[in-house]
Amino acid sequence: DQQVKQNSPSLSVQEGRISILNCDYTNSMFDYFLWYKKYPAEGPTFLISISSIKDKNEDGRFTVFLNKSAKHLSLHIVPSQPGDSAVYFCAASDGQNFVFGPGTRLSVLP
Amino acid sequence: EPEVTQTPSHQVTQMGQEVILRCVPISNHLYFYWYRQILGQKVEFLVSFYNNEISEKSEIFDDQFSVERPDGSNFTLKIRSTKLEDSAMYFCASTLTGLEQYFGPGTRLTVT
Repeated sequence: DQQVKQNSPSLSVQEGRISILNCDYTNSMFDYFLWYKKYPAEGPTFLISISSIKDKNEDGRFTVFLNKSAKHLSLHIVPSQPGDSAVYFCAASDGQNFVFGPGTRLSVLP
Repeated sequence: EPEVTQTPSHQVTQMGQEVILRCVPISNHLYFYWYRQILGQKVEFLVSFYNNEISEKSEIFDDQFSVERPDGSNFTLKIRSTKLEDSAMYFCASTLTGLEQYFGPGTRLTVT
């Protein structure tokens, strides 16, 4: 029972272009969503979050969009940089539990 | 910048042995978590801890697992009798608000 899905296991993008990472969820009780970045041999690093009362949150090169009716969120990175190459996890919370998606490996090509 | 630390970075143990994984959360944080990630799989929630007690736990967190905050700074995960399938990266996380979690670097547990 995958409550949080990231259907693209990997994504390759050219440096300078936009990276779009997608996430879908099934549990309508989730009201807070987070994106984490993970490098090999390191713990996940918090990137950006969004509350269910918003549909967009922006922080520098990172923007998260939330479409509650579609139970879908996306992370946009623009412009993409080689240092952005990592695994990106979407996570959702209902205020008590955190559920992580399986991750998408982003490769930004120079 | 404050960070979550975990020790050891790698623990090798024999099946059936007890292991204790240690974490030092960020000092003013109030909520503490353990997650694990089996190689090639997703990050899985194990347990959350608040106000000196477990607030939530997953199905994975059975009687073989326990957590403690023995001295106000450390947060430990104990596995009483390790199994081969316990081999994974174990991540500790903490948060002040119960929202954005800050993760430690992880402990790689190898059960042989």
